Amino acid sequence: AQSVTQLGSHVSVSEGALVLLRCNYSSSVPPYLFWYVQYPNQGLQLLLKYTTGATLVKGINGFEAEFKKSETSFHLTKPSAHMSDAAEYFCAVSGGTNAGKSTFGDGTTLTVKP
Amino acid sequence: ETGVTQTPRHLVMGMTNKKSLKCEQHLGHNAMYWYKQSAKKPLELMFVYSLEERVENNSVPSRFSPECPNSSHLFLHLHTLQPEDSALYLCASSRSDGSQETQYFGPGTRLLVL
Repeated sequence: AQSVTQLGSHVSVSEGALVLLRCNYSSSVPPYLFWYVQYPNQGLQLLLKYTTGATLVKGINGFEAEFKKSETSFHLTKPSAHMSDAAEYFCAVSGGTNAGKSTFGDGTTLTVKP
Repeated sequence: ETGVTQTPRHLVMGMTNKKSLKCEQHLGHNAMYWYKQSAKKPLELMFVYSLEERVENNSVPSRFSPECPNSSHLFLHLHTLQPEDSALYLCASSRSDGSQETQYFGPGTRLLVL
């Protein structure tokens, strides 16, 4: 079984401030972890993913995430928020017998204030 | 542009109508998915097709009927829907080889049932 918990359904930051979106997972097998972004009236777009190897993963638009096995976390960060980062962000996990099915978190809406 | 297209982008239908949603992927993937995204609810996996066979059906009402004629096309046939079926319907595809299974999403069809 696998599950994802995104802490905080809404996060608000000022432009230029650090962005931190939290994701914790549970998985009975080594997980594959993903972050997706969804802009209004659009589908989900892959930001970054962790499969194996380096635990700090860099994605598009200046985002990165670090896989911490001991904490079962995969938090998403960006050093400096931009207005265009305002969107909904989804964390997802897959792996093992669930390789064909990703389990998504409930999503976190990021608001960026000028 | 993710390589996954969906038509129509918007659809308004009455409860007695029959309509179909179409999804097409140009990525050479062999697995396709239908998700339902309702306001203030988590992403719901509806159907999974792998190698053109349905491998998952998450207890979706029979008024939703999927069809996967080949690995590039996926349909969702709709009939006698209810107002609570109004939502964004997202199609996704992936390369199902037991690896990291990154899913690529289409832009979605915004459905309104009157």
